[in-house]
Amino acid sequence: SQTIHQWPATLVQPVGSPLSLECTVEGTSNPNLYWYRQAAGRGLQLLFYSVGIGQISSEVPQNLSASRPQDRQFILSSKKLLLSDSGFYLCAWQQGWNQPQHFGDGTRLSIL
Amino acid sequence: AQSVTQLGSHVSVSEGALVLLRCNYSSSVPPYLFWYVQYPNQGLQLLLKYTTGATLVKGINGFEAEFKKSETSFHLTKPSAHMSDAAEYFCAVSDTDSSYKLIFGSGTRLLVRP
Repeated sequence: SQTIHQWPATLVQPVGSPLSLECTVEGTSNPNLYWYRQAAGRGLQLLFYSVGIGQISSEVPQNLSASRPQDRQFILSSKKLLLSDSGFYLCAWQQGWNQPQHFGDGTRLSIL
Repeated sequence: AQSVTQLGSHVSVSEGALVLLRCNYSSSVPPYLFWYVQYPNQGLQLLLKYTTGATLVKGINGFEAEFKKSETSFHLTKPSAHMSDAAEYFCAVSDTDSSYKLIFGSGTRLLVRP
């Protein structure tokens, strides 16, 4: 069966520091991969998605970036974090078009 | 562009009462529809999905949803609420402009009173 792993579960970072969040999927190949952000009490905001290695689509302009160095690995990064980057970050995978997305357990990011 | 509307950001029911969470979508073509549940500090878990075929879809934890094309609705129901059903529920629809993306509603927080 397929599983998705996100780490770390929680992270506290100072303003201006770099960020790297990692997501890996097991048990499937060539999945579509997604990064979402969920602000407190808010819905889901799609940040990036990828349909293949090295292919990244950005949904909103921001100081975050994403990379997909391997088929089942998706990384969210920032060179300098802002206070507004705080939130709950969710990674998801999807197999095929119009199929449901399956989510990881998320990373709670707090910026001080 | 597609949109999803979840009526009621908060719904409160008594334990044992009917749960009804509303979802309406805007689409000129039959979409693929999903309901997810999110418990505090966790990711989203798929409850059920509608792709094609039978319009009444049964999911996990006793939930079901009915696709009504004429009403562009996909409401989620459960006959008898349990305390463990307290969570945030999200309706989602496939994006007709991009089959890679889902469009999520803003969510409904379900509170179950003892």
